[in-house]
Amino acid sequence: NAGVTQTPKFQVLKTGQSMTLQCAQDMNHNSMYWYRQDPGMGLRLIYYSASEGTTDKGEVPNGYNVSRLNKREFSLRLESAAPSQTSVYFCASSDTGTGVDTIYFGEGSWLTVV
Amino acid sequence: GENVEQHPSTLSVQEGDSAVIKCTYSDSASNYFPWYKQELGKRPQLIIDIRSNVGEKKDQRIAVTLNKTAKHFSLHITETQPEDSAVYFCAASFSGGYNKLIFGAGTRLAVHP
Repeated sequence: NAGVTQTPKFQVLKTGQSMTLQCAQDMNHNSMYWYRQDPGMGLRLIYYSASEGTTDKGEVPNGYNVSRLNKREFSLRLESAAPSQTSVYFCASSDTGTGVDTIYFGEGSWLTVV
Repeated sequence: GENVEQHPSTLSVQEGDSAVIKCTYSDSASNYFPWYKQELGKRPQLIIDIRSNVGEKKDQRIAVTLNKTAKHFSLHITETQPEDSAVYFCAASFSGGYNKLIFGAGTRLAVHP
């Protein structure tokens, strides 16, 4: 049971390049999330998907797009990377059921935009 | 707006002392309040959580208290040990019918031997 797996772990991009962060969970969870973590800023929600086929904006969605490919996979795309998007990105999932439940995080993806 | 404030941002204690971290939240409808611990270079991991129908929850040396009227909740760590050194994040759920967690900015706890 791998939990939440995200790739790549490290990436360096040039300004204006695009890339997709991949995330998959094997816990049969309904909900999936993308957070970014910057020093002193905590974890900020970029986008989330409450269930397969739905996505919604979080606190900081500008510059990102997401796709809930199926129940297992939730990808995050940067169409035109900017230095302000240098951050650590965490994918997460939870089994919301009828209420809120524990969110499990992936190991993180370190992204640097130069 | 949806907001969680966390204090202090840094906390330094001697081994064996207690540590307290406090959070306030903006939405009176919030009903789930987890605490996560993050060690350097690692993913955040849940250490304890509390739901709005209880006022306190304990797990060995860790406890969380919730005051819904005042919209604040706190993490208490007793008999601190060096391995408790990490960044701690509080979070609160916000409305929408699903598990949308907003996090505080974090507290860096240092426990000195």
